[in-house]
Amino acid sequence: DGGITQSPKYLFRKEGQNVTLSCEQNLNHDAMYWYRQDPGQGLRLIYYSQIVNDFQKGDIAEGYSVSREKKESFPLTVTSAQKNPTAFYLCASSENGRQPQHFGDGTRLSIL
Amino acid sequence: SQQGEEDPQALSIQEGENATMNCSYKTSINNLQWYRQNSGRGLVHLILIRSNEREKHSGRLRVTLDTSKKSSSLLITASRAADTASYFCATGKTSGSRLTFGEGTQLTVNP
Repeated sequence: DGGITQSPKYLFRKEGQNVTLSCEQNLNHDAMYWYRQDPGQGLRLIYYSQIVNDFQKGDIAEGYSVSREKKESFPLTVTSAQKNPTAFYLCASSENGRQPQHFGDGTRLSIL
Repeated sequence: SQQGEEDPQALSIQEGENATMNCSYKTSINNLQWYRQNSGRGLVHLILIRSNEREKHSGRLRVTLDTSKKSSSLLITASRAADTASYFCATGKTSGSRLTFGEGTQLTVNP
């Protein structure tokens, strides 16, 4: 079955540490997205990529970095510069920017 | 305030009743989408309505769009306990590929 796989499901970060969240899709979608969701809140866009080797900042990109070296993969690194990283992170993909987005089941990041 | 604001923030109904959620937005859009999120899970796309459409149906779901009022509504008919979830609207602008999500309506359907 086609879909989006996020790993790990739970992740813990120590102070000063960078951590990388994985997102893989086998839907052959061009566009991929990373969102952050805080408790009881909507989704805020961190980064998005419309094509391989290209990506744009979203509304809350500070403290995060991404890469898009392969069509299937869009990893997100939460750097030590992100002072409040505790949140639920969701990855999504779409055929193109005008089509519905398909979501993974998220990674919950906490601070040790 | 954000593009795509849902109203009400929370809604509690009995099984069998209808549930209506509203979404308002501020700028011109290409399309408006509704998503559902079960607790601790990713979002699932429900329905997409384009700016030149006024109403769309999918099973027990009915979505309306009023571009003059910059608002949309999602109606779930004959609700079931399994419909308990958060519902989000998201707007896609005329140019660009990103969506802007509202803060959601938490729907609880009591058996």
